Amino acid sequence: ETGVTQSPTHLIKTRGQQVTLRCSSQSGHNTVSWYQQALGQGPQFIFQYYREEENGRGNFPPRFSGLQFPNYSSELNVNALELDDSALYLCASSLAGGATDTQYFGPGTRLTVL
Amino acid sequence: QKEVEQNSGPLSVPEGAIASLNCTYSDRGSQSFFWYRQYSGKSPELIMSIYSNGDKEDGRFTAQLNKASQYVSLLIRDSQPSDSATYLCAVNQGYQKVTFGTGTKLQVIP
Repeated sequence: ETGVTQSPTHLIKTRGQQVTLRCSSQSGHNTVSWYQQALGQGPQFIFQYYREEENGRGNFPPRFSGLQFPNYSSELNVNALELDDSALYLCASSLAGGATDTQYFGPGTRLTVL
Repeated sequence: QKEVEQNSGPLSVPEGAIASLNCTYSDRGSQSFFWYRQYSGKSPELIMSIYSNGDKEDGRFTAQLNKASQYVSLLIRDSQPSDSATYLCAVNQGYQKVTFGTGTKLQVIP
């Protein structure tokens, strides 16, 4: 167990809806990164939050947005859901968000878009 | 060229053998390298991190890094059926970006 928690575990939405996924980081960690993992693929970097500010972003459209709270927990919001958004969404926490930081993953949220 | 490349496998080895997993990366500025294990339907679990050229050993696992060749590998000695999983190579390229390979599926045959 990494101490990183995510909710919900599973989620089913329909195309066009909006979804919010939540992540609580490991105690002492101030950085949260979000990843999307499609079936059979490696995790794809969505963005990272460090001390409540977005601190890097991958190749995802603006309808993917996030927040980090003062307690370092985080939310991932996806608007206008598309079928291709169906995936395992992973958050990973780390300390300080630097180049040598080690990221520890939560259990993930499985999102299905119908 | 993909930023991080791994052979998707499956790599099949008999129980007790050495499994060798390989990864190449394209960004010479990459600073840190990680191996994660992922069981089907589960999230990635950190096995090893390595930052400097050479070998790093942790129990049955050895990570090897060669920055000149842009190559990182993971050796698993005395492979066990419980090692059967997908192994993900991850590279921190700086700028808060960690890039994962697609993973190599390892099957350890009893």
